[in-house]
Amino acid sequence: GENVEQHPSTLSVQEGDSAVIKCTYSDSASNYFPWYKQELGKRPQLIIDIRSNVGEKKDQRIAVTLNKTAKHFSLHITETQPEDSAVYFCAADNDYKLSFGAGTTVTVRA
Amino acid sequence: DTAVSQTPKYLVTQMGNDKSIKCEQNLGHDTMYWYKQDSKKFLKIMFSYNNKELIINETVPNRFSPKSPDKAHLNLHINSLELGDSAVYFCASSPAGGENYGYTFGSGTRLTVV
Repeated sequence: GENVEQHPSTLSVQEGDSAVIKCTYSDSASNYFPWYKQELGKRPQLIIDIRSNVGEKKDQRIAVTLNKTAKHFSLHITETQPEDSAVYFCAADNDYKLSFGAGTTVTVRA
Repeated sequence: DTAVSQTPKYLVTQMGNDKSIKCEQNLGHDTMYWYKQDSKKFLKIMFSYNNKELIINETVPNRFSPKSPDKAHLNLHINSLELGDSAVYFCASSPAGGENYGYTFGSGTRLTVV
């Protein structure tokens, strides 16, 4: 089955700086890679996704890059704000289910 | 209107009891899932149903039995609850088998077994 590894497990950044989270996956057949944000006590919410025919996608302050050859993808958050503090999960699709990374706890310091 | 709704939100029960969690989605999605999120926040799939048919069962103990009366509902019944079952259980749905589509999650059910 699919194995998704995510780094780092925790990330502390100064407000206004950038945050980068990296994930690798094992199954070369995976072709859909969403990112979820989970605030404390809330549900995971989809914030951006990328499909295998695209190398990069951007939505305002967040962007995702995908390298299918190396089997890794990354989330970039620019100009971080306190409301960006949350747990972020990467995921990869495999056999009609999403396999999630272990999560990155992002703390934005004011 | 909540897209994916779960009840109850909190459930505290004693070891050995049987309990159920209900999930309903009004998005018209074909596929529904149950995920377990443990104390370390790891999200692990338990079951997936597509149009009321079980398509994924990820080595979950037999004490867990999902039931899908129609494609808008997926319930989870747990027999003989154990301490290790304490976790947050999320229901989710997606348009078509999950492939190439993100999931919409319910708000979660925090189960505490004492």
